[in-house]
Amino acid sequence: QSALTQPPSASGSPGQSVTIPCTGTSSDVGGYNYVSWYQQHPGKAPKILIYEVIKRPSGVPDRFSGSRSGNTASLTVSGLQAEDEADYYCSSYAGSDTFVFGTGTKVTVL
Amino acid sequence: EVQLVESGGGLVQPGRSLRLSCAASGFTFDDYAMHWVRQVPGKGLEWVSGISWNSGMIGYADSVQGRFTISRDNAKNSLFLQMNTLRADDTALYYCVKDRFSSGRCPDHWGQGTLVTVSS
Repeated sequence: QSALTQPPSASGSPGQSVTIPCTGTSSDVGGYNYVSWYQQHPGKAPKILIYEVIKRPSGVPDRFSGSRSGNTASLTVSGLQAEDEADYYCSSYAGSDTFVFGTGTKVTVL
Repeated sequence: EVQLVESGGGLVQPGRSLRLSCAASGFTFDDYAMHWVRQVPGKGLEWVSGISWNSGMIGYADSVQGRFTISRDNAKNSLFLQMNTLRADDTALYYCVKDRFSSGRCPDHWGQGTLVTVSS
């Protein structure tokens, strides 16, 4: 159960896009359609943004989108806004009723 | 509105036990799987354990396997985590998390967490 790999930080100016990769293996990210993404603001509980690789829960802006290529999933935040400054985590089902989270990425809006 | 309220955290000595509880409301509890996820303050998220709607499927992280036990009481809309043989590296904020599905494939809605500190 090794953590999924994310870059520690990412940044962009307001209105720009930022893409956060999440690299796993064929036993987790690449093996199941159960990749999720979460946003966490300081002192707050995480909030789900994406589930099942590409699906958005109701209420999540369509500026947030998910994708996957092989063993790497990605979250793209388009039209960056100041409120998007937060930590972002991916997670994946890893078989045998277990899950694994990513290492987390701090997004800064310049 | 989904509400998850954790309790039972606190300061405990290494080697001792603690039982966390999560009171759920605002949804049909026995329709959904549930999880415990922890976070050391200032650090990343770590999945701890999950349980399906009927307790038929249960999983644990390697780091807690054999020491922690997850359970649920659907009649009381409650989730539990029995933590035994606690270690300093179990110190974290423990979140109760509702899944989107009954089998447990997508941690979804999070509580506010209860802090567990393991120290002598």
